[in-house]
Amino acid sequence: EVQLVESGGGLVKPGGSLRLSCAASGFTFSDYSMNWVRQAPGKGLEWLSSISSRNLNIHYADSVKGRFTISRDNAKNSVYLQMSSLRAEDTAIYYCARDTGDYLSNGMDVWGQGTTVTVSS
Amino acid sequence: EIVLTQSPGTLSLSPGERATLSCRASQSVRSYLAWYQQKPGQAPRLLIHDASTRATGIPARFSGSGSGTDFTLTISSLEPEDFAVYYCQQRSVWPPLFGGGTKVEIK
Repeated sequence: EVQLVESGGGLVKPGGSLRLSCAASGFTFSDYSMNWVRQAPGKGLEWLSSISSRNLNIHYADSVKGRFTISRDNAKNSVYLQMSSLRAEDTAIYYCARDTGDYLSNGMDVWGQGTTVTVSS
Repeated sequence: EIVLTQSPGTLSLSPGERATLSCRASQSVRSYLAWYQQKPGQAPRLLIHDASTRATGIPARFSGSGSGTDFTLTISSLEPEDFAVYYCQQRSVWPPLFGGGTKVEIK
């Protein structure tokens, strides 16, 4: 079964850091670009970051550029999101999602269940 | 960046009715547009890619059309499970932003 499972969410104080992980299974992970997308409470979807299959191309939304870092380990079938200088407005459900192919393909066809990040003092 | 504007914000319809959702881009995205469905408490699901191609397993009552800046998602006859929020996303250029969403609710 094709599956993505996120972990690492939790409660963190403003200015703190957190590392999210996404474990993939059921497909050849190294063939696909991977993404992080978040959803603040009661709000819409926000694309955050993408990393191509071989780590050659990385992109970030302006809202997280310089604070968040995406990475992947194809040997471990995992993608990560290192988040630092966290703010209250980063409170959201964070989803890991697979592109249909590599590097801005035509959609995101596999999604994890999400992990919740709460930034509060 | 390309901004996507979805309308209406909320669509109130009854089961069996036709739903027509709009997504307008601030500049051309050619045919590189995707549609997603999200139900409460669930992750989004890819419905349509390349403006008009249904993703694997998506029922034929869902159809997409358009190119350039104007796109439409049509649900020909609403089933109870179709009441959800729908998002468009452009896949033409970085950043691949989402529209604000259209909620399809039961009238």
